[in-house]
Amino acid sequence: ETGVTQTPRHLVMGMTNKKSLKCEQHLGHNAMYWYKQSAKKPLELMFVYSLEERVENNSVPSRFSPECPNSSHLFLHLHTLQPEDSALYLCASSQVLVSGGTYEQYFGPGTRLTVT
Amino acid sequence: GESVGLHLPTLSVQEGDNSIINCAYSNSASDYFIWYKQESGKGPQFIIDIRSNMDKRQGQRVTVLLNKTVKHLSLQIAATQPGDSAVYFCAESPNSGYSTLTFGKGTMLLVSP
Repeated sequence: ETGVTQTPRHLVMGMTNKKSLKCEQHLGHNAMYWYKQSAKKPLELMFVYSLEERVENNSVPSRFSPECPNSSHLFLHLHTLQPEDSALYLCASSQVLVSGGTYEQYFGPGTRLTVT
Repeated sequence: GESVGLHLPTLSVQEGDNSIINCAYSNSASDYFIWYKQESGKGPQFIIDIRSNMDKRQGQRVTVLLNKTVKHLSLQIAATQPGDSAVYFCAESPNSGYSTLTFGKGTMLLVSP
């Protein structure tokens, strides 16, 4: 596979369930991101992993827990979610230079999450 | 910058016309700007980017213009095609090792044959 893949593409879960979203990038990048896309709102950055370290956590509730076991894989563990957490969750990756510099992020197709 | 609101701005054009999508940004420290296209059911797709040391950059059928004085970014699409119908997002970022992109609300482009 090429690019950034995400599984599952659709997920329906109850508020008491525990589930995980998976992201894999095949681009050789060293930074990965989780975004939330809700209707009528801009994309919201949730977490950033750069060189496998979490470098950003934008005041995300603890019911969302990221995990980055290596530079190619990123997970978002979900537990006791609320209906307002229903959204499209997007994963992205980019290349980061140690010397600095910002480059484009490549997005996966997203996981459409519905919390009932 | 673009405010969060209930309605997505929509631009309707005829096939073959040129389209211009505008974006205002608020952070004067932003150094890097990027346009994405998002089709229904898909993730955002990179179109073109520009750094603050430039005011214009061209790609295939697309041009991005940056006016740092008024903090304005635009995307021009030449000879718009029905396949260009999508939501277009601008994003800005300060120059950092990893890119913390701040996205605008988006503009829906509708191209009719």
